[in-house]
Amino acid sequence: SQQGEEDPQALSIQEGENATMNCSYKTSINNLQWYRQNSGRGLVHLILIRSNEREKHSGRLRVTLDTSKKSSSLLITASRAADTASYFCATRLGSKLTFGTGTRLQVTL
Amino acid sequence: GAGVSQSPRYKVAKRGQDVALRCDPISGHVSLFWYQQALGQGPEFLTYFQNEAQLDKSGLPSDRFFAERPEGSVSTLKIQRTQQEDSAVYLCASSKGLAARAQYFGPGTRLLVL
Repeated sequence: SQQGEEDPQALSIQEGENATMNCSYKTSINNLQWYRQNSGRGLVHLILIRSNEREKHSGRLRVTLDTSKKSSSLLITASRAADTASYFCATRLGSKLTFGTGTRLQVTL
Repeated sequence: GAGVSQSPRYKVAKRGQDVALRCDPISGHVSLFWYQQALGQGPEFLTYFQNEAQLDKSGLPSDRFFAERPEGSVSTLKIQRTQQEDSAVYLCASSKGLAARAQYFGPGTRLLVL
């Protein structure tokens, strides 16, 4: 079963705008990871944040983690049409990675 | 360098048929994972190998599903007596080291059971 849920399920924005996706999960974790999936490139790892970290940046991506609320957010700044994809959070406990339900992001010109 | 490859990319099977899905991980990656992804859902964990040892198979949905990695490299996921509910994309991923961090995914095998 899915560990977490992403919110919103779908998001449509214009190029240049920022996109924020949220993820909630249920159990303790070692780390939380965000992945992107589109039909052209499959599932690609974006960023990992450890359970003892609160915020992490990578290029146009900013991830926050609140373990007390069991939630994370992914911010994509200055979005591009190429960012159109589904975004999944995945929590790791031990060797197992458990994915959320995903947010479908559409970036229009 | 080469990424994770999977074959076949598409497979159509008649209900009751056995299928075998292959995964070639990134060379040198110790950990290998199989996931099942239904349409519109996130991937769901099936099983995990560390080298040739299958350390976790808690996600396999039934005893019709069997995975192996006999030499610690290539892995095969076998589904016996396929059912329509087995229709999904089967993803393979590999990662460095013994503790999974970032996982590198293959393109998947899309299985359709008629």
